[in-house]
Amino acid sequence: GAGVSQSPSNKVTEKGKDVELRCDPISGHTALYWYRQSLGQGLEFLIYFQGNSAPDKSGLPSDRFSAERTGGSVSTLTIQRTQQEDSAVYLCASSLVLSSALFPQYFGPGTRLLVL
Amino acid sequence: AQTVTQSQPEMSVQEAETVTLSCTYDTSESDYYLFWYKQPPSRQMILVIRQEAYKQQNATENRFSVNFQKAAKSFSLKISDSQLGDAAMYFCAYRSGNAGGTSYGKLTFGQGTILTVHP
Repeated sequence: GAGVSQSPSNKVTEKGKDVELRCDPISGHTALYWYRQSLGQGLEFLIYFQGNSAPDKSGLPSDRFSAERTGGSVSTLTIQRTQQEDSAVYLCASSLVLSSALFPQYFGPGTRLLVL
Repeated sequence: AQTVTQSQPEMSVQEAETVTLSCTYDTSESDYYLFWYKQPPSRQMILVIRQEAYKQQNATENRFSVNFQKAAKSFSLKISDSQLGDAAMYFCAYRSGNAGGTSYGKLTFGQGTILTVHP
C-alpha cells in the first residue's frame, strides 16, 4: 500500500515569506507526527496529532510555526515569516494509533526547505 | 527528559562482515520502547528493528539484531553479513510507554551514525 507522502519534495523560499508543507499519512493511520532534521539540531520532534487534535504544541520552535490536521488525514505545517534558521528537512510520520508504541511510526521522504 | 546518545559518528564495514552500532540512553521510566531507524540518501527513514523494554529477549529481524542491556541503558545494533544496501545513516530512538506523559507520542533520536559498506 501507499506510504506517507509529503509535498513539496523541495522548497526554496526567501526570508520573510510564508511556506506550507503538506503530509498525507498512510490510510487509516490516526496518529501523525512532524519532525525537523537539521545539521545543527539533529532530529527534533515538533508536534503530533491524534485524529485532528494536537494535545502538545510545546515542541514547535516558535509562534511562527503552526500545524493543523483536517478530516483525520492530511496535515499542513505552516511556517510564517521564514528565517534562515528554519532551513531543514521536515519529516512527517504516521502510526496506526497513538496509544501504543507497538504500532511504529512510518516516515515520509521529507520536505527539504531552504530559506535564502 | 530522556536523552539518546550515539557515540560513533561514522562506522565502516566490509561487505559480508559484521558491524555493531552503539547507542546509550538515559531515562527514569520503566516502560519504554527503543528503535533503530535507517536513513539512506533518499531521506526516507525506515524502521529496522524495535525492542520493548519489558522484554528480556533481544529483538531480531533477519540480519539485524540488538543487544539490549536495560541496566546499563545500552541498545546496540548488530548487522550481520553486511550488504552494500545497508549503507545509510542509522538512528537510535526512544519512545516513552507512559501514556500519561506529555511526551508520549514523541520519538527522541540520537545524533546518528553514518555506516559505509566497502565492497
